[in-house]
Amino acid sequence: GDSVTQMEGPVTLSEEAFLTINCTYTATGYPSLFWYVQYPGEGLQLLLKATKADDKGSNKGFEATYRKETTSFHLEKGSVQVSDSAVYFCALRGVRGGGADGLTFGKGTHLIIQP
Amino acid sequence: DTEVTQTPKHLVMGMTNKKSLKCEQHMGHRAMYWYKQKAKKPPELMFVYSYEKLSINESVPSRFSPECPNSSLLNLHLHALQPEDSALYLCASSRGDGRSIRSPLHFGNGTRLTVT
Repeated sequence: GDSVTQMEGPVTLSEEAFLTINCTYTATGYPSLFWYVQYPGEGLQLLLKATKADDKGSNKGFEATYRKETTSFHLEKGSVQVSDSAVYFCALRGVRGGGADGLTFGKGTHLIIQP
Repeated sequence: DTEVTQTPKHLVMGMTNKKSLKCEQHMGHRAMYWYKQKAKKPPELMFVYSYEKLSINESVPSRFSPECPNSSLLNLHLHALQPEDSALYLCASSRGDGRSIRSPLHFGNGTRLTVT
């Protein structure tokens, strides 16, 4: 079945550091890929998405590129802030269930940014 | 601000109680979802409704009973829960009948449930 693998962390960085959170996936066909962010005590917010190979999703300084050849969707940000501290989930919607079964999530990466 | 609204934000209930969680969206989405999230874990799918009809039940115990009264509302009725059911319950919606894989899910902020 479909699966998503991401580094779990916690990942601790200093403010203004460069961020990469790796995400790879296994799925049949061409899934859509998403990054969600969850701040403490809140639900999941859509951060960015990509629906076909070589698409680049971007939002709030975060970027991720859909790489079909490496089945990856790594999240990057050039200069992180303390307010970026949160849990980040990589997810896919696959064709296997006709899309009707929602999202397949990675385990989540806890990001801590220190001043 | 989230476009999917869940109430209550917090709920404490005993094992013999009956309570309900409510979810509302006004984005015109026709697919709605219930997820359960334990601490430090990703959300786990419980139920999917498509055009107000239950399309997926991920082998959830019968003490959880979903209901979709109309296209904007989703309820989760709780009865005789166990302490291990304590978790964050998230509602989500997506465009169309839920079969468009390009459409993201939009989540509410969840109900933090504690079963004593």
